Amino acid sequence: EPEVTQTPSHQVTQMGQEVILRCVPISNHLYFYWYRQILGQKVEFLVSFYNNEISEKSEIFDDQFSVERPDGSNFTLKIRSTKLEDSAMYFCASSEASSGYYEQYFGPGTRLTVT
Amino acid sequence: GQNIDQPTEMTATEGAIVQINCTYQTSGFNGLFWYQQHAGEAPTFLSYNVLDGLEEKGRFSSFLSRSKGYSYLLLKELQMKDSASYLCAVSASGGSYIPTFGRGTSLIVHP
Repeated sequence: EPEVTQTPSHQVTQMGQEVILRCVPISNHLYFYWYRQILGQKVEFLVSFYNNEISEKSEIFDDQFSVERPDGSNFTLKIRSTKLEDSAMYFCASSEASSGYYEQYFGPGTRLTVT
Repeated sequence: GQNIDQPTEMTATEGAIVQINCTYQTSGFNGLFWYQQHAGEAPTFLSYNVLDGLEEKGRFSSFLSRSKGYSYLLLKELQMKDSASYLCAVSASGGSYIPTFGRGTSLIVHP
């Protein structure tokens, strides 16, 4: 069964450093998403991406964040200058379409630890 | 804004039936989702309701009442592997199907 993959599984970085989290969505999916989940808290939407541009973003997704689809398979989330409060699990997801009837498939996540 | 309430924790016995409730207040409504999340893992989609009524899918069923801002997830014939967090999520109107998640209900199934 096709699945969303994410690398790395765990990333440790120092405050102020840039990090890039990578995702490979399911190949025939057209919509891509990033979510984060701070330990013990709820899943929060960051951004959605369709047709090579951002379609929606939340208040969390400020100028420190950016997304890119550099080639036909990868989808990346960049945090320019990490802060302690960026420590969280970051999930990538993809779906065939944007309707609620089209399931969003989540990747296994990247645990980001900012020290 | 959106407000989603669900119990923090529930316990149940293997083989039993459990109902996890969710109430929501939103400025618009474009559907309600239920996800399952095992500890340390990603959420997995269980159901999507946009119309009132009950949707059944195997051992899991989801109910929606839009007028009451209320939904429940019903799990039948509980198994130990059903121990997980169950996340209620709502999407607002305006063409967005992005789910806003509640804090989740941690279900513990014991023998």
